[in-house]
Amino acid sequence: KNEVEQSPQNLTAQEGEFITINCSYSVGISALHWLQQHPGGGIVSLFMLSSGKKKHGRLIATINIQEKHSSLHITASHPRDSAVYICAVGTSYGKLTFGQGTILTVHP
Amino acid sequence: EAGVAQSPRYKIIEKRQSVAFWCNPISGHATLYWYQQILGQGPKLLIQFQNNGVVDDSQLPKDRFSAERLKGVDSTLKIQPAKLEDSAVYLCASSLDFGTGQFFGPGTRLTVL
Repeated sequence: KNEVEQSPQNLTAQEGEFITINCSYSVGISALHWLQQHPGGGIVSLFMLSSGKKKHGRLIATINIQEKHSSLHITASHPRDSAVYICAVGTSYGKLTFGQGTILTVHP
Repeated sequence: EAGVAQSPRYKIIEKRQSVAFWCNPISGHATLYWYQQILGQGPKLLIQFQNNGVVDDSQLPKDRFSAERLKGVDSTLKIQPAKLEDSAVYLCASSLDFGTGQFFGPGTRLTVL
C-alpha cells in the first residue's frame, strides 16, 4: 500500500462543476502539499497546510489530521483547470512523499 | 523573483551513454531537491541537499547516479551509464529551509533509446 493515496485517479467534469479530489496518507507528517502539474512537466505549489482549511481564489484545501485525510476542492471549474493534481506529504526535514496524481479534464 | 532554472529541458540519449542535468535554485534557498518522475507516477525524491551537504540520498541508485552541490548553490545530477528505465522527467526544487514550501523547476525530460 502506498503511503499517499489519491482518488480518483482520473476525473472528467463539465465547466462550472464543483470538483473534489481526495488524499489519504498513512504516515506522520509535518505538512501536506497540493501541487498542480501541467503537460510539459512544470509543477506549481497550490497549498501547504498542516491543519484546518485554506482558500485561494476558486481553490479550497482542507485537512483532517486525526483522520489523515485531505481534500482539494475547485469551485466553478474551468477548462484551464485541466491538469494533474498531486498530493504530497512532508516531514520536518522537508522530504516529500507524493501521491500518484489525479488527472483532471474539464470540458467546456 | 527568478524561479528555479533547469537545463536542458529535453535530452535524448542512447542506453549506456552518460548525461548531466543542471539546476540553479532560487537565490538564498538552502535546500535543494532532485526528483525523478516516471510517466504516470508521482515524483520520487532522489537526493536532498542542505547547502552543500547531503540530507537524504536513500533512493538514489548510486551505482549509476551521482549528484553534487559543491558551493551550496547550483547542482548537477549525472547518470552514467543510462538505462532504458531512466527515461523520466527530472525535477529540481528548492526551498528556503527544511519544511518550507518547495518551488519546482520546469524539469528535464530524458528519453533513453
